[in-house]
Amino acid sequence: EIVLTQSPVILSLSPGERATLSCRASQTVHSYLAWYQQKPGQAPRLLIYDASNRATGIPARFSGSGSGTDFTLTISSLEPEDFAVYFCQQRSSWPLTFGGGTRVEIK
Amino acid sequence: EVQLLESGGGLVQPGGSLRLSCAASGFTFSTYPMSWVRQAPGKGLEWVSGIVGRGDSTYYADSVKGRFIISRDNSKNTMSLQMNSLRADDTAVYYCAKPTYDTSWFFDDWGQGTLVTVSS
Repeated sequence: EIVLTQSPVILSLSPGERATLSCRASQTVHSYLAWYQQKPGQAPRLLIYDASNRATGIPARFSGSGSGTDFTLTISSLEPEDFAVYFCQQRSSWPLTFGGGTRVEIK
Repeated sequence: EVQLLESGGGLVQPGGSLRLSCAASGFTFSTYPMSWVRQAPGKGLEWVSGIVGRGDSTYYADSVKGRFIISRDNSKNTMSLQMNSLRADDTAVYYCAKPTYDTSWFFDDWGQGTLVTVSS
């Protein structure tokens, strides 16, 4: 199975700052990677799919990049509602797998 | 509007069985693959199982293979997960999830989740 490793585990930043989250795959997933945001008590929300495509209704401050084994989610300027946990997921091969998550917290 | 409504969660003893259901509406159910994703308390997301639109191909995480069975009834717009030989580490919120488009396995619609607790 493909293992997705997210870093850092916790990212402490202030509103208005830029957030850079990493997801590394144990083998190539081509561009078949997505990013989700999850807030406490809520289901995950899809942000980015196929590495760089924003999902419907997702603000332009969220962007995704990368291919192969190294991927990045960038939040250009953090809004108060962006403090949450972020997960990556691959669909390149079975079983589908998620990364362990990065918590973006208020500094 | 897409709606996914899970049911069937609850408390079950180790070794027991439980059947989860997901009722779907607001889209052409039979054309989309569907999945179950779970989240143990305070932990990350774990994909559990998936089934293609026609129901003739199914996929499982290694952790549940041989114990869980996914199925769907396109005439009723429902998906089910039969969970057998339950263990404590199956305790989680189980989400029903629909993908972005009919050949995708990325999920843009989720149910509210149903809690399964495996404990004596």
